[in-house]
Amino acid sequence: EIVLTQSPGTLSLSPGERVTLSCRASQSVSSNYLAWYQQKPGQAPRLLIYGASSRATGIPDRFSGSGSGADFTLTITRLEPEDFAVYYCQQYGSSPRTFGQGTKLEIK
Amino acid sequence: QVQLQQWGAGLLKPSETLTRTCAVYGGSFSDYNWTWIRQPPGKGLEWIGEINHSASTTYNPSLKSRVIMSVDTSKRQFSLRLSSVTAADTAVYYCARAAGYYDSSGSYFTFGIDYWGQGALVTVSS
Repeated sequence: EIVLTQSPGTLSLSPGERVTLSCRASQSVSSNYLAWYQQKPGQAPRLLIYGASSRATGIPDRFSGSGSGADFTLTITRLEPEDFAVYYCQQYGSSPRTFGQGTKLEIK
Repeated sequence: QVQLQQWGAGLLKPSETLTRTCAVYGGSFSDYNWTWIRQPPGKGLEWIGEINHSASTTYNPSLKSRVIMSVDTSKRQFSLRLSSVTAADTAVYYCARAAGYYDSSGSYFTFGIDYWGQGALVTVSS
């Protein structure tokens, strides 16, 4: 089973700032099958990025993903108020599909 | 627009069987794989397993001995059964679509989970 470790656990930032979230895998993720999700309280997660760097339908271009192998990042260039949420990475290249433990982005 | 709606008992006693059924509205049913994910209160996401229209399944090994997934293509529904539940199975359960496509050899290439149901809290308590 691939273990995904996200860092940091919590980030306190202000709107307008740039942020980079990290997701590290315990082994290489097959075909860079790595996705990022955003989850707000009381809501289901929303797919942001798949294939490590492809934006899902309707996702603003301030969200970008990068990385390969076992090291991946999600960058938000200018934080909007609606971006404060919990972010999860997930690998779907091997079974079982696994999620990271999440990074909480909170308003400073 | 794809929508997923699930139902089932929200309160169970230890040792009972959790059963959830998810109906898919809109979009194609047979072209995709369907998945169950859960989230204990205040915690992260756990993948339970995945099923396709032919009822081919893949389960999380941590739950495999207790999980059965099934599909009814004619009704555009898929279901989850989790036996011998304990308090550790208390969670919000999500049904969702694993985005992707089948290639000419029948292999499924997925793009993550693109449509999620609303989630349902299932509580296990005596």
